[in-house]
Amino acid sequence: KAGVTQTPRYLIKTRGQQVTLSCSPISGHRSVSWYQQTPGQGLQFLFEYFSETQRNKGNFPGRFSGRQFSNSRSEMNVSTLELGDSALYLCASSFGPTGNEQFFGPGTRLTVL
Amino acid sequence: DQQVKQNSPSLSVQEGRISILNCDYTNSMFDYFLWYKKYPAEGPTFLISISSIKDKNEDGRFTVFLNKSAKHLSLHIVPSQPGDSAVYFCAASDPGGGADGLTFGKGTHLIIQP
Repeated sequence: KAGVTQTPRYLIKTRGQQVTLSCSPISGHRSVSWYQQTPGQGLQFLFEYFSETQRNKGNFPGRFSGRQFSNSRSEMNVSTLELGDSALYLCASSFGPTGNEQFFGPGTRLTVL
Repeated sequence: DQQVKQNSPSLSVQEGRISILNCDYTNSMFDYFLWYKKYPAEGPTFLISISSIKDKNEDGRFTVFLNKSAKHLSLHIVPSQPGDSAVYFCAASDPGGGADGLTFGKGTHLIIQP
């Protein structure tokens, strides 16, 4: 069974631009969560989608948004990029809509210049 | 306000000895705890978990202990091996899946010395 995949793996953008990251969960998994990892803050929860509905949202500004498609694939979008948005963005999938065991993708490394 | 704290940013242990990674939490609603291991340039991988109805869970060389009264959990690795060198994240969730998803600590970098 294929794991969680994320595209692209690396991305360089400039301030003010917007970016869209993609995540394909493990086949059969219906929940997708997104996390931001930075050296100083560790892993921080962005949002969770289950059956195309946003179920939970972390403490991030409205510039961060996401969606989930009927095939459970998910995208997250960051608009008006800031230097502080440079981070590793991780997607995790799980079968059910819980905070329990999740399987992580390799992440997308976003650098904002 | 950090609800899950890993107070040791790094830990160095000799190969063959026991590694003990600690984690403290403040939210008494947390009822499920997980440990993840992360190598550079890879996403975290699930290691072991424990429900709040238990105080110990064991899986091979890995054992997690939970002390609910102290709001403290620890991960024991015995014996430590070179491949255990990685960053270990403690995570917690509250009933119903968690309004904040999984809440993670900032991680402890475990270094196994030969």
